[in-house]
Amino acid sequence: QKEVEQNSGPLSVPEGAIASLNCTYSDRGSQSFFWYRQYSGKSPELIMSIYSNGDKEDGRFTAQLNKASQYVSLLIRDSQPSDSATYLCAVNMIIQGAQKLVFGQGTRLTINP
Amino acid sequence: NAGVTQTPKFQVLKTGQSMTLQCAQDMNHNSMYWYRQDPGMGLRLIYYSASEGTTDKGEVPNGYNVSRLNKREFSLRLESAAPSQTSVYFCASDEGQGAASNQPQHFGDGTRLSIL
Repeated sequence: QKEVEQNSGPLSVPEGAIASLNCTYSDRGSQSFFWYRQYSGKSPELIMSIYSNGDKEDGRFTAQLNKASQYVSLLIRDSQPSDSATYLCAVNMIIQGAQKLVFGQGTRLTINP
Repeated sequence: NAGVTQTPKFQVLKTGQSMTLQCAQDMNHNSMYWYRQDPGMGLRLIYYSASEGTTDKGEVPNGYNVSRLNKREFSLRLESAAPSQTSVYFCASDEGQGAASNQPQHFGDGTRLSIL
């Protein structure tokens, strides 16, 4: 069974602090990793993609990938109330001969003013 | 710039009724997908189409059929709706092709479907 695991939360972080979201995956051969943000009642929105080991920064967001540990994380600096949402980790895996995007269940993040 | 457009946005059906969910993308993407999202279950792939003219089953295909009408459009049909199919349905697309796709997917706004 190919899986992507996230802590479902809720994760509560004070405004201005760093929010750290974590994700582990089961397929050692995975090459593509994505973070989506989903506001309540809305569709998933791509916020970060990462393909190589290390850090990738985009504004207040940093994605970190460690393929050896099969671990990908998302850091949100200077957290704002507007960051309150569910964050979905998605990993490309080969299932039955085709690459498919497998989603974690999501971590619900709440930023407290 | 519409992206991925789904219709309808909301629908209520009675058990046994049929309906088709429509999806269209204007990004010239090759691959299109249908997911359902249920509380506590995350996003689960129903069917996908890696290119025009091809469709394949995902994780939860039972009770559904799909048609890739052309490169832009990918529809999902419920032939005989059941209460277990009450869910939020998302269509997505990406520019990858076939088994080599490693591109991020872009989602439509979703269809909220209730089966009574």
